[in-house]
Amino acid sequence: DGGITQSPKYLFRKEGQNVTLSCEQNLNHDAMYWYRQDPGQGLRLIYYSQIVNDFQKGDIAEGYSVSREKKESFPLTVTSAQKNPTAFYLCASRIQETQYFGPGTRLLVL
Amino acid sequence: GDSVTQMEGPVTLSEEAFLTINCTYTATGYPSLFWYVQYPGEGLQLLLKATKADDKGSNKGFEATYRKETTSFHLEKGSVQVSDSAVYFCALSDQGNTPLVFGKGTRLSVIA
Repeated sequence: DGGITQSPKYLFRKEGQNVTLSCEQNLNHDAMYWYRQDPGQGLRLIYYSQIVNDFQKGDIAEGYSVSREKKESFPLTVTSAQKNPTAFYLCASRIQETQYFGPGTRLLVL
Repeated sequence: GDSVTQMEGPVTLSEEAFLTINCTYTATGYPSLFWYVQYPGEGLQLLLKATKADDKGSNKGFEATYRKETTSFHLEKGSVQVSDSAVYFCALSDQGNTPLVFGKGTRLSVIA
């Protein structure tokens, strides 16, 4: 079954802790993206990667980091520098002109 | 730069009513246009798309026509159902793998 998986569905972060959100795709897509969505709001781009071992900052990259060591994986780390991390995080991948999204991870701060 | 403007919500309709959600865009090139739908607590799903002027995208009773002369891609459905309640996002894709540009989303509530 092809698609984009994100795990976990819910994630809890303690103050000062780094947490990593997983995003995996088996669609053989080159480009992958991370978005943040706050309640009742639209999407804001955090980071994106057009090819393995390369990535670019989006509009709100501060307090986040990514890696792209494999084509199928694009994990996002929310660092302690991100002071307001509570949000819904969406991963996407792209083939030709179309982006496809994963089911999302909801991050909550304890 | 490129941008997408869609009508503000929320939009509340009775079941079987006609739906229109307006979307206009600004782009330097010849973008592809998309509508995505997001149900509560889920990711975005591609609803329909159109890749060139005068193309009509359609899916699940929803339609949108790529109008280059008015730079618009309005979403329509003839008879909405309660299950259509969701947030709808209009988006455009320019060249290469640069990220899609999204509108702010329109929340639709359909009441029985």
